[in-house]
Amino acid sequence: KQEVTQIPAALSVPEGENLVLNCSFTDSAIYNLQWFRQDPGKGLTSLLLIQSSQREQTSGRLNASLDKSSGRSTLYIAASQPGDSATYLCAVKPGGGADGLTFGKGTHLIIQP
Amino acid sequence: KAGVTQTPRYLIKTRGQQVTLSCSPISGHRSVSWYQQTPGQGLQFLFEYFSETQRNKGNFPGRFSGRQFSNSRSEMNVSTLELGDSALYLCASSYEGGSGSGYTFGSGTRLTVV
Repeated sequence: KQEVTQIPAALSVPEGENLVLNCSFTDSAIYNLQWFRQDPGKGLTSLLLIQSSQREQTSGRLNASLDKSSGRSTLYIAASQPGDSATYLCAVKPGGGADGLTFGKGTHLIIQP
Repeated sequence: KAGVTQTPRYLIKTRGQQVTLSCSPISGHRSVSWYQQTPGQGLQFLFEYFSETQRNKGNFPGRFSGRQFSNSRSEMNVSTLELGDSALYLCASSYEGGSGSGYTFGSGTRLTVV
């Protein structure tokens, strides 16, 4: 059974810092991996989608990498801003199309002004 | 283009009642998935529908059911509600099941069972 772990569970940093959020998964047979952010009481906003054949994806200040063989992904946030404060969730889609997404518990990020 | 629309946003129900939640996917998307989010368990997959057929199902009791209509809109039903069913229920749509295009989520329905 696929398990997804996100470290750290919570992180508080001053504005302007670059930071890395980590995601690991136990079964490397994935279709893709998707990073989301969730603001309190809200739904999920998709940030980046990495296909299993890709190594990284970039969008603005965000960069996500994928190392399928080691079961790891990182989300890099450059020049953090208070508006980046949210919970960041990593989700994997299993290979073969069976089952839905398996989510990690998330990293609760606070950017101090 | 319009996003994923979930209605209602909030619901309060009594134990033993049943509830129906609705999800309208992004226009052109044929796959709709449902997830339950609780503080203790996080996000858990309920089921996925594609072209009116349930394609995948998570590990939830039979009290949780769903269906998808010909216009891709989906409904989720929970019968004989329990206190533990209190959660944020999220719907996600994708063009063809997320294998290539990823998922877009709605804002969710917050269900409180009292």
